[in-house]
Amino acid sequence: DTAVSQTPKYLVTQMGNDKSIKCEQNLGHDTMYWYKQDSKKFLKIMFSYNNKELIINETVPNRFSPKSPDKAHLNLHINSLELGDSAVYFCASSQGDTGVYGYTFGSGTRLTVV
Amino acid sequence: RKEVEQDPGPFNVPEGATVAFNCTYSNSASQSFFWYRQDCRKEPKLLMSVYSSGNEDGRFTAQLNRASQYISLLIRDSKLSDSATYLCVVNRPEDYKLSFGAGTTVTVRA
Repeated sequence: DTAVSQTPKYLVTQMGNDKSIKCEQNLGHDTMYWYKQDSKKFLKIMFSYNNKELIINETVPNRFSPKSPDKAHLNLHINSLELGDSAVYFCASSQGDTGVYGYTFGSGTRLTVV
Repeated sequence: RKEVEQDPGPFNVPEGATVAFNCTYSNSASQSFFWYRQDCRKEPKLLMSVYSSGNEDGRFTAQLNRASQYISLLIRDSKLSDSATYLCVVNRPEDYKLSFGAGTTVTVRA
């Protein structure tokens, strides 16, 4: 059983399109995250969400919006895609929101905007 | 200054060798420290947590130096399968989220 699963694994789309990436975790964790890994390999946090609050990294453009239908899912919707959005997006989850036990990551979604 | 800084490497070592590398972190109030491993085009996976007294997990030894604000990872008896990028991870006291270094690449050759 995959602990944190993301779909799609690859996404190629044109500039200006709107797309969504889905994430589901079956670990019973109560906090989920979206990270972006760019070409320089830095993993940067975009959002964290638990049943209490959504925390948005202020550097993330408002074209990106997380949506959580329940605590096992955190989807990422992106409007008006730009070339600079090309990256690998990782979903992750953790027990609690302090990170003291580390995070479990999904396998990533490689987004290419052309 | 970056929150977490690592020597990108690559460290090219023969099988059986010992390799060690450090990372530095900027916030002295950080409390949780980890090493993650990331294989090419794969997700990061937790390798080990780093405890104040230092800890071992098989061939891997992690150390924390709070005074100098660095953590280290040592790999003994390197295997080909140890080839990967090792990410240093530190929690951010202001929001408890994890901050990742850009990684140190290790290549073990036969």
